[in-house]
Amino acid sequence: NAGVMQNPRHLVRRRGQEARLRCSPMKGHSHVYWYRQLPEEGLKFMVYLQKENIIDESGMPKERFSAEFPKEGPSILRIQQVVRGDSAAYFCASSPGPTGYYNSTLHFGNGTRLTVT
Amino acid sequence: GQNIDQPTEMTATEGAIVQINCTYQTSGFNGLFWYQQHAGEAPTFLSYNVLDGLEEKGRFSSFLSRSKGYSYLLLKELQMKDSASYLCAVSSLMTTDSWGKLQFGAGTQVVVTP
Repeated sequence: NAGVMQNPRHLVRRRGQEARLRCSPMKGHSHVYWYRQLPEEGLKFMVYLQKENIIDESGMPKERFSAEFPKEGPSILRIQQVVRGDSAAYFCASSPGPTGYYNSTLHFGNGTRLTVT
Repeated sequence: GQNIDQPTEMTATEGAIVQINCTYQTSGFNGLFWYQQHAGEAPTFLSYNVLDGLEEKGRFSSFLSRSKGYSYLLLKELQMKDSASYLCAVSSLMTTDSWGKLQFGAGTQVVVTP
């Protein structure tokens, strides 16, 4: 049973370009979460999605960032017109249900390390 | 919002015991999780507490007191491979349609020395 798959593992973009980060959840998981992690810091919640629905995007910057989880295919985190401050590790996690519900816990992918030059 | 506090760093010797404390403030508490994260890798699940008391799982144990907003992770018989960041995370029912996300503390870096 494959785990959470994220690609690419490393992504380099110049300022002003677009970054697309992909996440395929574990088989049977319909809940996807995106987190951002800066060096020496904890994981910051960005967005929580279920298939075709955004459940909670309270941690997502209002501009340039968007996320989707279509009926078919992986979840995509899209960052338009990247700036140096967007450089971070972006982790995707999935769960079979909302975390805390029937002990449902998050399973993390290995992350995408975005570097903006 | 939520406040989740844990020490930044702890150092201990191989074979020793280390206790990592975590305090939190939240409404609608729905469970507390501990994760381990090695540098450059994905966080991996260690433990989950939703009721008061101690949960033991091999060399790792986790304790929760909901009334005090307090948890600790206990690592026994430390091994060099236990050097990692340990993340405390709280699940809370923020709204009826927005429950289930985890908010993480900044992590405690544990350094195990020979």
